[in-house]
Amino acid sequence: DAGVTQSPTHLIKTRGQQVTLRCSPKSGHDTVSWYQQALGQGPQFIFQYYEEEERQRGNFPDRFSGHQFPNYSSELNVNALLLGDSALYLCASSPGTGGWETQYFGPGTRLLVL
Amino acid sequence: AQSVTQPDIHITVSEGASLELRCNYSYGATPYLFWYVQSPGQGLQLLLKYFSGDTLVQGIKGFEAEFKRSQSSFNLRKPSVHWSDAAEYFCAVFGGSQGNLIFGKGTKLSVKP
Repeated sequence: DAGVTQSPTHLIKTRGQQVTLRCSPKSGHDTVSWYQQALGQGPQFIFQYYEEEERQRGNFPDRFSGHQFPNYSSELNVNALLLGDSALYLCASSPGTGGWETQYFGPGTRLLVL
Repeated sequence: AQSVTQPDIHITVSEGASLELRCNYSYGATPYLFWYVQSPGQGLQLLLKYFSGDTLVQGIKGFEAEFKRSQSSFNLRKPSVHWSDAAEYFCAVFGGSQGNLIFGKGTKLSVKP
């Protein structure tokens, strides 16, 4: 049973560019959450997708947007990149109902903005 | 607002010694609490969780945690640490208006041979 997978593993961008990160949830999970983990910090919640819609959102600007596909995979898009967007981006999946509190994380995508 | 505090940024213990990592939370209702471990360059692995019932919960890799409502704490323990336990440990609470995980800043564990 494959766990949560993310791609790419590493990415280097320059300020002002746009980036797309991808996530495939654990088998049987239909809810995907995205977190940003800055160096030396705990993960911070960006948003959560369920049934192809954004269900919850954290305190992140509109530059951060996402999408969920019918197969439950998800993308995180960040526009107009800033140096401060450099971080590890973690995707987590969970069942949509009956257990959605327990989230399983992927290995993350490390983004460096120069 | 909900929050999680991990008072210790870095802890070093000798291999074979016991371990306790502290976690305090702020949450109005009965919290759902979690401990995750993150090895260098890796994602987060769930160690254990507490939702209700027995306040002492067992997890993977020989870890356990005790929920103490009166102290708003959920400390992680292991009786005998192995070198492979060296990693960063995150305590988290689920809840709040956004229904997401709220993490502490983490405690980095180093293990001396």
